Amino acid sequence: DAKTTQPPSMDCAEGRAANLPCNHSTISGNEYVYWYRQIHSQGPQYIIHGLKNNETNEMASLIITEDRKSSTLILPHATLRDTAVYYCIVTTRGATNKLIFGTGTLLAVQP
Amino acid sequence: DTGVSQDPRHKITKRGQNVTFRCDPISEHNRLYWYRQTLGQGPEFLTYFQNEAQLEKSRLLSDRFSAERPKGSFSTLEIQRTEQGDSAMYLCASSATGASGANVLTFGAGSRLTVL
Repeated sequence: DAKTTQPPSMDCAEGRAANLPCNHSTISGNEYVYWYRQIHSQGPQYIIHGLKNNETNEMASLIITEDRKSSTLILPHATLRDTAVYYCIVTTRGATNKLIFGTGTLLAVQP
Repeated sequence: DTGVSQDPRHKITKRGQNVTFRCDPISEHNRLYWYRQTLGQGPEFLTYFQNEAQLEKSRLLSDRFSAERPKGSFSTLEIQRTEQGDSAMYLCASSATGASGANVLTFGAGSRLTVL
């Protein structure tokens, strides 16, 4: 699986958009980008995933660059409850479905 | 269905004791995973089941660790002769097979182990 690089921490004002970057310059053609988040004292929670097209769901939007070497998770209107560690994971959709987590980005939403 | 359940949520034990954690996955999910997480780190993969078959084990899973999923439903993770380095949050997750479930894991809240 390709390695990902994320900033260790970011701040965002409540009500503003939170844009979380992820670099995955060694991504291969059959690898997907997955985002999970982990709120304090809870297990990780799936947010969104994509291959090469931009994706949007009720939680967030995922923007993947044309060369697929980086992506951005966008929380359009961050709330205090979005304070969490956000993990970007690149993996194939193989038989194992095993996810390898890095250390993620701690997003602190400020009131 | 209330999601993935783990029990106990917290366990304090003395070094050398055995501990067992239980995980009840989402009922229609046939894949089940165990992860371990220490402070400031992301979850680390330990092992994975498809139905009752244990298909993959991490090198992190020493011979003191054993996981079972006897009937393809709930799973147990046992740690024998606990060491202080085993102190961590033990997370269980489950997923469905097929394209819709690929890499979409539902995690439980975890079982926190403290070894004194």
